[in-house]
Amino acid sequence: QQQVKQSPQSLIVQKGGISIINCAYENTAFDYFPWYQQFPGKGPALLIAIRPDVSEKKEGRFTISFNKSAKQFSLHIMDSQPGDSATYFCAASMDNTDKLIFGTGTRLQVFP
Amino acid sequence: NAGVMQNPRHLVRRRGQEARLRCSPMKGHSHVYWYRQLPEEGLKFMVYLQKENIIDESGMPKERFSAEFPKEGPSILRIQQVVRGDSAAYFCASSPWEGLETQYFGPGTRLLVL
Repeated sequence: QQQVKQSPQSLIVQKGGISIINCAYENTAFDYFPWYQQFPGKGPALLIAIRPDVSEKKEGRFTISFNKSAKQFSLHIMDSQPGDSATYFCAASMDNTDKLIFGTGTRLQVFP
Repeated sequence: NAGVMQNPRHLVRRRGQEARLRCSPMKGHSHVYWYRQLPEEGLKFMVYLQKENIIDESGMPKERFSAEFPKEGPSILRIQQVVRGDSAAYFCASSPWEGLETQYFGPGTRLLVL
């Protein structure tokens, strides 16, 4: 019940295309859903985050879509660029615990 | 404004030795979290500490692992009598206060046990 399931495991997108990564959770007590970007040899960096009281949040080329009834959320990267090539992790936490439960990651490769 | 600092960045130990990993949180941050990342896997929560207190250690293995965050100095993750299965990247994250979920991660320590 503490798991966050992430798919796909890897994704190849052409430059300018849309990258979509999906996550699903079971625990309805989760109330904070961040996405992290990780480059090889680096620590994860917060990209964008959402709370379940909104269905969508957009920051630049990055959008989170959130479906509370389906217990799913997704990251959309518009106009994908080679510099976006990295591993992306979704995560979830409960306000009173603070610890993040991470998905297994998606390795994104954007080809020029 | 320095970010979260971790050292060493790489650590090689032989089986049975001790590994000591250090984490200095961002300035003004008093909450520290440790996560472990096995190759090709996501990050797994290990422990959450505030100054001089362990808040949540539900992700820590019962034996050989310990963590502290003293009043002065960095947070330390200590692994005694390391085994090959301890080989992983260990990440520290910090946040300024409880309830603010944004956690800022350090660059990690890559531990290799021979």
